[in-house]
Amino acid sequence: GQQLNQSPQSMFIQEGEDVSMNCTSSSIFNTWLWYKQDPGEGPVLLIALYKAGELTSNGRLTAQFGITRKDSFLNISASIPSDVGIYFCAGFNSGNTPLVFGKGTRLSVIA
Amino acid sequence: NAGVTQTPKFRILKIGQSMTLQCTQDMNHNYMYWYRQDPGMGLKLIYYSVGAGITDKGEVPNGYNVSRSTTEDFPLRLELAAPSQTSVYFCAARLAGTYEQYFGPGTRLTVT
Repeated sequence: GQQLNQSPQSMFIQEGEDVSMNCTSSSIFNTWLWYKQDPGEGPVLLIALYKAGELTSNGRLTAQFGITRKDSFLNISASIPSDVGIYFCAGFNSGNTPLVFGKGTRLSVIA
Repeated sequence: NAGVTQTPKFRILKIGQSMTLQCTQDMNHNYMYWYRQDPGMGLKLIYYSVGAGITDKGEVPNGYNVSRSTTEDFPLRLELAAPSQTSVYFCAARLAGTYEQYFGPGTRLTVT
């Protein structure tokens, strides 16, 4: 089945630093999604992208839908301790097909 | 509006025991999903349902069964628990025609 390659697998950063992570696929998606999972919780949607080349922001988070439709990027600016968690990318096409999730990037923020 | 609820939150099973993980959603969403998340790993799709009476296998269905007799409920059944089924199980729901998937808080299962 389809797979998403997410990198890096984990990151340790200092509070205040910017963070970048990305997700690539061997096949095209019509929608890219970024979720965050806080420790002990279920994932929650952060940002959704619908169009190739689209750049969307949600507070300190910015995500981009790659022009090839096979990749997406998430940036977090000026990280804070509550940014700790696992960030998942997900690709979606349409209809009944389930979302395809990446394996996640585990972010740790050192105060 | 509770969203997606899961019970129990935690459970310890002995090898060979059976149990049902409950999932209920009050959003009238058509699609429901069961995932497992092993320690330090991503989400693996076990089963999903596009509506009452319809279920489909995901990536890792072996050892599990599901049913969808109502729109609201999507229970996951383990018949003969094995240590390999130790994991955190998440249920999710999505409205047809939309992309946002809402997750429950998870059930942490240990099989010893």
